[in-house]
Amino acid sequence: AQSVTQLDSHVSVSEGTPVLLRCNYSSSYSPSLFWYVQHPNKGLQLLLKYTSAATLVKGINGFEAEFKKSETSFHLTKPSAHMSDAAEYFCVVSDSGGYNKLIFGAGTRLAVHP
Amino acid sequence: GAGVSQSPSNKVTEKGKDVELRCDPISGHTALYWYRQSLGQGLEFLIYFQGNSAPDKSGLPSDRFSAERTGGSVSTLTIQRTQQEDSAVYLCASSFGPGETQYFGPGTRLLVL
Repeated sequence: AQSVTQLDSHVSVSEGTPVLLRCNYSSSYSPSLFWYVQHPNKGLQLLLKYTSAATLVKGINGFEAEFKKSETSFHLTKPSAHMSDAAEYFCVVSDSGGYNKLIFGAGTRLAVHP
Repeated sequence: GAGVSQSPSNKVTEKGKDVELRCDPISGHTALYWYRQSLGQGLEFLIYFQGNSAPDKSGLPSDRFSAERTGGSVSTLTIQRTQQEDSAVYLCASSFGPGETQYFGPGTRLLVL
């Protein structure tokens, strides 16, 4: 069965410093992986997705993630945090059922301080 | 274009009452999904529709939960005899087809008193 583990429930950074949100996955086949962001009282928004085309995936708002099969990781990074990045971030893997049922990690709440 | 819409945005009900939650997917999207986001369980899959049929209902937590989709478009999630543990945000997503990127609606926040 597929699963994801987000290694940090909370991450706090200063504005202008790098962001690293960690995610490990478990999958018996080549997975599709996603990062979604949820701002307070807003819906889930897709940041980026990996579907085996390239291991380094660039997303919206300057975020990117690198798929590392040897480490079963898909960490999310951004070189310089902005106040507007404060939100909850979900690492997600798709189910192998062929219709892409999503399996969510527990989420990482990112706080950005001035 | 218009995104996924859900109604109501908030619903407060009394324990034991039935509730209906509605989802309007993006036009032309054949796949529709319901998820639930609660404090104790995180984000969890409930049910998947392809067209009007539901090949996967495995995430529905009990027989009090049911869903239907008509005309390959609007979907309704019904919870009968609501319990306090049903309190959560119910999210709907749609995709152009199975396996395509899912786009989420803003959710319905359900509070059962």
